[in-house]
Amino acid sequence: AQRVTQPEKLLSVFKGAPVELKCNYSYSGSPELFWYVQYSRQRLQLLLRHISRESIKGFTADLNKGETSFHLKKPFAQEEDSAMYYCAAQGGSEKLVFGKGTKLTVNP
Amino acid sequence: EAGVTQFPSHSVIEKGQTVTLRCDPISGHDNLYWYRRVMGKEIKFLLHFVKESKQDESGMPNNRFLAERTGGTYSTLKVQPAELEDSGVYFCASSQLDSRRGGYTFGSGTRLTVV
Repeated sequence: AQRVTQPEKLLSVFKGAPVELKCNYSYSGSPELFWYVQYSRQRLQLLLRHISRESIKGFTADLNKGETSFHLKKPFAQEEDSAMYYCAAQGGSEKLVFGKGTKLTVNP
Repeated sequence: EAGVTQFPSHSVIEKGQTVTLRCDPISGHDNLYWYRRVMGKEIKFLLHFVKESKQDESGMPNNRFLAERTGGTYSTLKVQPAELEDSGVYFCASSQLDSRRGGYTFGSGTRLTVV
């Protein structure tokens, strides 16, 4: 079955500390991987996608096919990074499969 | 560019009543999707339109849910009759034809509470 797992429901770090949000996937074939973010009182929005290998707002995510992981990282967290983060995978169809999300809190 | 618009933003209805949610996608986006997040669970796919055609409705929970996209523009999702377990946030999203590269643009969601 297609599944995306985000093991941490809550993650709390201090400003300036490194942050890593974990994501593992179970999928047949080679899915496309995405990170979506939802800031307080805002809509869900695309943060970054594996296919473009970009860095957005200082975040990067590396696809590790051996470990079937797509962890999101940022070397120095900022308070404005506090949000709900969702990892998602897309296989052969247009359907996205989401993880349950990780609520990141960056403390001053 | 106007984003994906959903209304109402909130709806509280009694069990057994009917509710219709509406989604206006970004102009020119042929793909339109409905997802929902039930309390404590992950965001789950409901269905996918390409223009006015249902491409994939494998996520629709049962026949109490009916989605339409007449004319390939806006879409409606009707729940009739609503049950308590239908409570959650219903998201609409749209994308251009190749969403694997562009990702989705989501609406703000409709929070449905069935009491």
